[in-house]
Amino acid sequence: SQQGEEDPQALSIQEGENATMNCSYKTSINNLQWYRQNSGRGLVHLILIRSNEREKHSGRLRVTLDTSKKSSSLLITASRAADTASYFCATEEGAQKLVFGQGTRLTINP
Amino acid sequence: DAGVIQSPRHEVTEMGQEVTLRCKPISGHNSLFWYRQTMMRGLELLIYFNNNVPIDDSGMPEDRFSAKMPNASFSTLKIQPSEPRDSAVYFCASSPAGGETQYFGPGTRLLVL
Repeated sequence: SQQGEEDPQALSIQEGENATMNCSYKTSINNLQWYRQNSGRGLVHLILIRSNEREKHSGRLRVTLDTSKKSSSLLITASRAADTASYFCATEEGAQKLVFGQGTRLTINP
Repeated sequence: DAGVIQSPRHEVTEMGQEVTLRCKPISGHNSLFWYRQTMMRGLELLIYFNNNVPIDDSGMPEDRFSAKMPNASFSTLKIQPSEPRDSAVYFCASSPAGGETQYFGPGTRLLVL
C-alpha cells in the first residue's frame, strides 16, 4: 500500500531559488518523515515531524504538517546544486514499518 | 562509523539462477529492513526483522524470495530462481531499538537477463 504521495513528481529550479514539495497521506499518523536520495545512492533521513507539531526547521529545510488536510510540505531555501536529488515522504504503517511515496525529483540548475 | 554495508553493489545474472544479497547493519541497531525500488512500483518494504526475528514479511513477492538474519550483524535476501522482473535496486536499512528513522545502505543493483 502507498500512504504518501508527493507532488510535483519533478521540479526544476535555478540555484538560489526556493523549492517546495508536497506530500499527502491517507490515514492517521504519529509522525511523518522526509528522506533524500541522491542518484545511485541509498536514502538519507532529513527530518521527522510529529503529529502534534505544525512546523519544524533544520538548517535550510522547513517542514510543515497539516493533519486536518493530511498533508505535509518540505521547503528548501536558497537551493544549491548539491540539493539535486529525489525527495520522499514516509509515514508509519504499524510499528517501524515505513511506507514511502513515489518521490519528487528535484533538479537545481546552475 | 561505518554505515549499513551491502554486497554486492551490482549483480548481473541470468534467469533461473540463484541470487544472494547481503547486508551488515549498523552495529547496535536491532531492526533490519529489506526494500526493493523500481521505477514502476517505487520503494517497497519486503521484510523486516527485530532482534534477528522476522516480524513482517507480507511484502515478500512470492516463495522465490527468502530472507534470513542468523545474527545481529548479518542478513541475506535470496532469490531462487531469479526472473527478469526481479531486476531492481535492493536496499537494506537498519534502525536502533525504538528508533523511528532508518539508515539505508547504498543498495544492490540487480539485473536479471
